[in-house]
Amino acid sequence: TQLLEQSPQFLSIQEGENLTVYCNSSSVFSSLQWYRQEPGEGPVLLVTVVTGGEVKKLKRLTFQFGDARKDSSLHITAAQPGDTGLYLCAGRHSGNQFYFGTGTSLTVIP
Amino acid sequence: NAGVTQTPKFQVLKTGQSMTLQCAQDMNHEYMSWYRQDPGMGLRLIHYSVGAGITDQGEVPNGYNVSRSTTEDFPLRLLSAAPSQTSVYFCASSYSIQGGSPLHFGNGTRLTVT
Repeated sequence: TQLLEQSPQFLSIQEGENLTVYCNSSSVFSSLQWYRQEPGEGPVLLVTVVTGGEVKKLKRLTFQFGDARKDSSLHITAAQPGDTGLYLCAGRHSGNQFYFGTGTSLTVIP
Repeated sequence: NAGVTQTPKFQVLKTGQSMTLQCAQDMNHEYMSWYRQDPGMGLRLIHYSVGAGITDQGEVPNGYNVSRSTTEDFPLRLLSAAPSQTSVYFCASSYSIQGGSPLHFGNGTRLTVT
């Protein structure tokens, strides 16, 4: 059983479209991070959110942490082919363990 | 500044063989961890360490051993390889597990067990 479930698992869209990726859990997290991974490489951090209700923007990417700190979303506006990759959410639940979500594979078609 | 270095990049083992996956970081990070990545399952934590001499189990520790004799190195040992251990393995380090410090990942080791 995964502590963090992401949806959708796969997403294929045209360049210029908007999209939202969801990261959900029944557990509360003290902080939540979003990573992006490209083929053959390790994940790279995009953002960290720590406060319930927090919204962070990174150019065309908007990240939101749920009020109850159990869920998060990533919204991309006007997707570009360079956004293609695997998006992973990760949360620190308790102790010293970081749990990762199941991942969303995004393909942006030119 | 190399960051997190993993070796080897690829490895093929026969069932029952043992091997060690190497991980080294040059950022003086206290926290180090090993994950395995399988399709549709994201990354699952195998073992982690909060400092030299301290290790603990993650979600999927069975069949793996770790040690942390120095701050820089965190090797992962497969005791008797099984086909179920075919996966991509990532080592990650962080300055601190507190306050949302980022995890810095190596580029992975792709392991196939036949």
